[in-house]
Amino acid sequence: GAGVSQSPSNKVTEKGKDVELRCDPISGHTALYWYRQSLGQGLEFLIYFQGNSAPDKSGLPSDRFSAERTGGSVSTLTIQRTQQEDSAVYLCASSLEAHSGNTIYFGEGSWLTVV
Amino acid sequence: QKEVEQDPGPLSVPEGAIVSLNCTYSNSAFQYFMWYRQYSRKGPELLMYTYSSGNKEDGRFTAQVDKSSKYISLFIRDSQPSDSATYLCAMSGDQAGTALIFGKGTTLSVSS
Repeated sequence: GAGVSQSPSNKVTEKGKDVELRCDPISGHTALYWYRQSLGQGLEFLIYFQGNSAPDKSGLPSDRFSAERTGGSVSTLTIQRTQQEDSAVYLCASSLEAHSGNTIYFGEGSWLTVV
Repeated sequence: QKEVEQDPGPLSVPEGAIVSLNCTYSNSAFQYFMWYRQYSRKGPELLMYTYSSGNKEDGRFTAQVDKSSKYISLFIRDSQPSDSATYLCAMSGDQAGTALIFGKGTTLSVSS
């Protein structure tokens, strides 16, 4: 596609429910990143994929968070047993390769509200 | 001390003013420095990209990196109301897969 596509754009869920957020990166981009942006906070790195592998999962805040990527393309971020503090914008980004010199392009984000 | 510090503002200026946005950082391994612009309820978009020290100019925007002081700046000349957004600095080291570390962002408002 022309840009990074994320769905849903908005999600309101009840505390304790599981949610899945989807990211479709730019065609041909092998690296994919998930960030979280909370009100008044900067972008917090969660996880990145090079192909289908996730070399760095250090940013996942708890074991309720998981992510996978299949076919080197679409990625899903899953949050189990959501808590109110999970409310944030979840941003996906992609780049040609997972190297610092490559430009990272962001999607519009998935706005998650846990009530 | 956080790895990247950025004054959140808000910063309000009249149209036509010169705007200076800044970030400081602590990790001397950072080599790539970027500025992203984020409009309300939109994803960040890359504005400027600099490798190592020096200046880079693109139209009304100039990015400066001073690695000796661990200080980066973004200057906006002849600011326009359409420049009203949050500006995020970001940086990373040289190793493959190194995550971008972002500042918290500075909110800029340009009034006509």
